[in-house]
Amino acid sequence: QKEVEQDPGPLSVPEGAIVSLNCTYSNSAFQYFMWYRQYSRKGPELLMYTYSSGNKEDGRFTAQVDKSSKYISLFIRDSQPSDSATYLCAMRGIAAGNKLTFGGGTRVLVKP
Amino acid sequence: GAVVSQHPSRVICKSGTSVKIECRSLDFQATTMFWYRQFPKQSLMLMATSNEGSKATYEQGVEKDKFLINHASLTLSTLTVTSAHPEDSSFYICSAVVSGSEDQPQHFGDGTRLSIL
Repeated sequence: QKEVEQDPGPLSVPEGAIVSLNCTYSNSAFQYFMWYRQYSRKGPELLMYTYSSGNKEDGRFTAQVDKSSKYISLFIRDSQPSDSATYLCAMRGIAAGNKLTFGGGTRVLVKP
Repeated sequence: GAVVSQHPSRVICKSGTSVKIECRSLDFQATTMFWYRQFPKQSLMLMATSNEGSKATYEQGVEKDKFLINHASLTLSTLTVTSAHPEDSSFYICSAVVSGSEDQPQHFGDGTRLSIL
């Protein structure tokens, strides 16, 4: 079993819908949680960065962390075709020396 | 802020050639940089952690003599794929962390697509 599980998709939604993404993990030492967006043939772009449990909102993006359930989520409101990309969750512990553990990525398609 | 530039973006070369990829932090200093490899439709695989002024730390299974890493300054790390062969063809991505902010996230470059003929 992988340390971080993420549904590969593809997740197809109509423009304007809410995109809901999630990851589950098994390592209770993870404290920092990130969501990256990766377009084809590009490097990952940081979308959200959270520490420990709780919610964080930035524009159309909301990240949620539930450490008790070892479950993190990313919501994208008012989705646009330009949101079509692969979304990667990543996480690490405090003593990890910044090394990240990634999910496999979820491919999202927003149809006009 | 926190821009990471990677060069070149695309390399096509013959088998046996050595290829150097540069990773620069443009607007910050980075004591630590990371090198990843990504195959199509897969997630990133960490190859090594590069620390300024010291030897890189390689992940298990990554040949240090094949993938030479140099981190000579706080804004530049290089990855050299020595005597590259077709199986080394992949997408190589670097990332960097702002110095003195070890609780901060990694910022990624745009990757280098390497194709060995």
